[in-house]
Amino acid sequence: GENVEQHPSTLSVQEGDSAVIKCTYSDSASNYFPWYKQELGKRPQLIIDIRSNVGEKKDQRIAVTLNKTAKHFSLHITETQPEDSAVYFCAAIITNTGNQFYFGTGTSLTVIP
Amino acid sequence: NAGVTQTPKFQVLKTGQSMTLQCAQDMNHEYMSWYRQDPGMGLRLIHYSVGAGITDQGEVPNGYNVSRSTTEDFPLRLLSAAPSQTSVYFCASSYSPFPSWNSPLHFGNGTRLTVT
Repeated sequence: GENVEQHPSTLSVQEGDSAVIKCTYSDSASNYFPWYKQELGKRPQLIIDIRSNVGEKKDQRIAVTLNKTAKHFSLHITETQPEDSAVYFCAAIITNTGNQFYFGTGTSLTVIP
Repeated sequence: NAGVTQTPKFQVLKTGQSMTLQCAQDMNHEYMSWYRQDPGMGLRLIHYSVGAGITDQGEVPNGYNVSRSTTEDFPLRLLSAAPSQTSVYFCASSYSPFPSWNSPLHFGNGTRLTVT
């Protein structure tokens, strides 16, 4: 099955700086890559996603990039704010045939005011 | 819509006890799944279902049973609880049997289970 690796496991940044979280996947057939944010004690919530036919997607301060050849994708958060502090998970799935999301192990992001 | 509802929120069991974690959704979602979340290990799929009467195993199914008698409900049963099953359990659903960009996963609020 698919193997998704996520780095770093913890990340601290100063407020206003940028944060980057990276994931690699093993199955070249994976074609959908969502990112989830989980605040302390809460449920994971989808914040952004990217399909394999797109190289980059932006939504205000967050963006995701995908390199299909290298099989890696990244989450970029610019102008970080304290409310960005959370655990972020990447995931991969083969849509139309796959029923299983494969999640990375998570990155705990702390934004220092 | 209430979305995905999990009960209970917290549970403490003794080794060997059995219990059922409840999950219900009111969005007419075909796909339902159970994940466990452990520190440093992310979210791991236990079981999933693509419709009423259909279930399948995920990455870590041992020690757990599921059934899907209705579209709305997908209970997770621990047959004989073990300390290794101490975890946070999340139920998640999506409209399509094949989750994707137009049918994303919706998570419940989780159940924190401790087995002593």
